[in-house]
Amino acid sequence: NAGVTQTPKFRVLKTGQSMTLLCAQDMNHEYMYWYRQDPGMGLRLIHYSVGEGTTAKGEVPDGYNVSRLKKQNFLLGLESAAPSQTSVYFCASSYQGQSQYFGPGTRLTVT
Amino acid sequence: EDQVTQSPEALRLQEGESSSLNCSYTVSGLRGLFWYRQDPGKGPEFLFTLYSAGEEKEKERLKATLTKKESFLHITAPKPEDSATYLCAASNFGNEKLTFGTGTRLTIIP
Repeated sequence: NAGVTQTPKFRVLKTGQSMTLLCAQDMNHEYMYWYRQDPGMGLRLIHYSVGEGTTAKGEVPDGYNVSRLKKQNFLLGLESAAPSQTSVYFCASSYQGQSQYFGPGTRLTVT
Repeated sequence: EDQVTQSPEALRLQEGESSSLNCSYTVSGLRGLFWYRQDPGKGPEFLFTLYSAGEEKEKERLKATLTKKESFLHITAPKPEDSATYLCAASNFGNEKLTFGTGTRLTIIP
């Protein structure tokens, strides 16, 4: 039982490049979330999903897109990376919006 | 708008010196109050969920309590391995999202 896993762990992008972050969970959770964490700002919700095929915007959705084609996977895409998107990204999942369980994070640097 | 505020921002304690971390919240209809521990370079690790005022939960040297306006994380006789950032979050009914505080960075000195 791996819980929540994230791929990749680290990535460096140049401004304007695109990439996709993958989150996978094996707990059969309906709800999945993408956060970013910046010093002094705490965890901020980017997008979330309450079930396969559904997505919704969080607090800071601009510049990001998501897809939930399978229940166990939640993808976060950056179409044209900007230095302001340098951050640590966390994925989480939960059962019916209860306690969220987090992945290990992806550290992204945009130069 | 839901708000969660944690204090202090940082706390340094001697090993064995008990203390409390504070989380005050403004949420319209609290569904749950959550505590997490985060070690450097890792994701938040779930500790407790509290649902109603007066509720308490314990795990080893940690005890979380909840009132109508705030939650406390009490740390009894802490050890160096308790050093971490402790995060508090709240959710309300009709909302699948958590609002996080910015955390308290706890350092236990041997």
